Amino acid sequence: DSGVTQTPKHLITATGQRVTLRCSPRSGDLSVYWYQQSLDQGLQFLIQYYNGEERAKGNILERFSAQQFPDLHSELNLSSLELGDSALYFCASSVASNQPQHFGDGTRLSIL
Amino acid sequence: GQNIDQPTEMTATEGAIVQINCTYQTSGFNGLFWYQQHAGEAPTFLSYNVLDGLEEKGRFSSFLSRSKGYSYLLLKELQMKDSASYLCAVSSLPNTGTASKLTFGTGTRLQVTL
Repeated sequence: DSGVTQTPKHLITATGQRVTLRCSPRSGDLSVYWYQQSLDQGLQFLIQYYNGEERAKGNILERFSAQQFPDLHSELNLSSLELGDSALYFCASSVASNQPQHFGDGTRLSIL
Repeated sequence: GQNIDQPTEMTATEGAIVQINCTYQTSGFNGLFWYQQHAGEAPTFLSYNVLDGLEEKGRFSSFLSRSKGYSYLLLKELQMKDSASYLCAVSSLPNTGTASKLTFGTGTRLQVTL
């Protein structure tokens, strides 16, 4: 158990819809990261937050947005969903940005 | 940008030793991580190298040469449960005052056979 909690575990929805993925980091971790992993693809970094502020952006589409709340949990919002957005979305947390990241179990998003 | 290369697949026998190589090109190198990921599961942290040399952790060891942009993960006494993908990830500091950025390689799928 990494200590990082992601909900929901599975999400099935249709094209054009909007979903919110939620992540609670390990106790004491201030940094939260979001990654996308498509079938047989590597982990693609989306975005990082540190103590409520955005710190780094990766290959995140404009249709996607995220935020980190004062209690340090984070949400990833995906809108105008397309078939290609079907993937595993992982959240990770760490004490600091150059320290090991600990991953949640992921949310498997399926777009029908 | 960054470029991380790992072999796509490897096969080894139970009880043997296997070395998974990773080469990288980056500016502002800040450390190298190895993660294990079983299919459909979350990556789990294995090792971290920031200085040159070998870090040993039980059956797993990781080596780093910063001048060569090279690392390897060594797995000893292989077990069937070691069948998984092994991800090399490079941490870099793009600019002064910004956060470190972690970039993952596409991973090496290791199959351990009897």
